[in-house]
Amino acid sequence: EDQVTQSPEALRLQEGESSSLNCSYTVSGLRGLFWYRQDPGKGPEFLFTLYSAGEEKEKERLKATLTKKESFLHITAPKPEDSATYLCAVQRAGFQKLVFGTGTRLLVSP
Amino acid sequence: NAGVTQTPKFRILKIGQSMTLQCTQDMNHNYMYWYRQDPGMGLKLIYYSVGAGITDKGEVPNGYNVSRSTTEDFPLRLELAAPSQTSVYFCASSYSGGGYQETQYFGPGTRLLVL
Repeated sequence: EDQVTQSPEALRLQEGESSSLNCSYTVSGLRGLFWYRQDPGKGPEFLFTLYSAGEEKEKERLKATLTKKESFLHITAPKPEDSATYLCAVQRAGFQKLVFGTGTRLLVSP
Repeated sequence: NAGVTQTPKFRILKIGQSMTLQCTQDMNHNYMYWYRQDPGMGLKLIYYSVGAGITDKGEVPNGYNVSRSTTEDFPLRLELAAPSQTSVYFCASSYSGGGYQETQYFGPGTRLLVL
């Protein structure tokens, strides 16, 4: 069974304090690993898709990386507006279904 | 281009009542999905559709029904509401075809409370 585990559950940072969120996964034949951002009371907002080990993608202060067992979302010099829940999901090759982790709640204090 | 829209935003139901959650997308996506999100749990797939007239069960389909008569709309029906169906419901859509598959894009959600 495909599984996604995200850690930590919650993370509190000071503005400018860089850190990383972890997404560990097991899947039979990875088609893609997805990162979403979710603000309170809103739907998940797409950030990145990673397809193969070694791939990296960046967007502003966020950088996502992928290995054969896990993905990291690195946040460099975060700002309060980066506060949100970050969701990781995997998709098995040949399937449409996404399997989601429970998310990491990030709070960035000024 | 509104993306994925959902109505209503919030609803309170009594046990045993029925309702339909509406979902519409204007991106001409062929795939549409319904997820539920409970506190401390990841999003769980309820039903999905690969195109008009074709639907299939996800992980947690019990207590729900769907239909897809058009490309744009994918309503979710609760026939006999139960407290266990208290949740936030998200609709999503994506395009898949010719070996190409896009990301799933989500709507803003419907918060449902069953009392």
